[in-house]
Amino acid sequence: TQLLEQSPQFLSIQEGENLTVYCNSSSVFSSLQWYRQEPGEGPVLLVTVVTGGEVKKLKRLTFQFGDARKDSSLHITAAQPGDTGLYLCAGADTNAGKSTFGDGTTLTVKP
Amino acid sequence: NAGVTQTPKFQVLKTGQSMTLQCAQDMNHEYMSWYRQDPGMGLRLIHYSVGAGITDQGEVPNGYNVSRSTTEDFPLRLLSAAPSQTSVYFCASSYSSGGEQYFGPGTRLTVT
Repeated sequence: TQLLEQSPQFLSIQEGENLTVYCNSSSVFSSLQWYRQEPGEGPVLLVTVVTGGEVKKLKRLTFQFGDARKDSSLHITAAQPGDTGLYLCAGADTNAGKSTFGDGTTLTVKP
Repeated sequence: NAGVTQTPKFQVLKTGQSMTLQCAQDMNHEYMSWYRQDPGMGLRLIHYSVGAGITDQGEVPNGYNVSRSTTEDFPLRLLSAAPSQTSVYFCASSYSSGGEQYFGPGTRLTVT
């Protein structure tokens, strides 16, 4: 079983601060995705990273895939209250046609 | 397009009862999955399908059955509900293996 560990589990910060969330595994993944989930809703995709060392930017969010394709990070610059939510990483095993999710990081950004 | 739809949104069962959670997608996606999410946790894969007629077990398949007779539908059956199955259940579909997963709104199930 492929496992994904996310850290920290909970993060509470003030508006304007920067933060980084980590997603680590001992397994290699074909690709890795980051999702954001709001209460009462299903997760929504933020980004997919495929190539080792890849960096993708989505406005104030920067995603990095580790060189060995086993880990990833999500960095948020100048966090805003609208960034509040559960951030989930998911590793894809394209050969098997399934994905494994981490336990998530619950982010709260206070105004 | 409605995307991924799930019914019901809420359900309360007594221990030992059976029921089927419905999931349908109108995007012609081959890949579909069922996950459960417990409080403060991520998603755990129950069963998944790579196409009509093909299903396989995920991490936590015990107590659940699935079938995939059409591309659109992927129902999840609870054979004999137990309190440990109290959870929020999400169905998801994707166009390709490892591609973006589109999630339904979830079914909140309580087993007493």
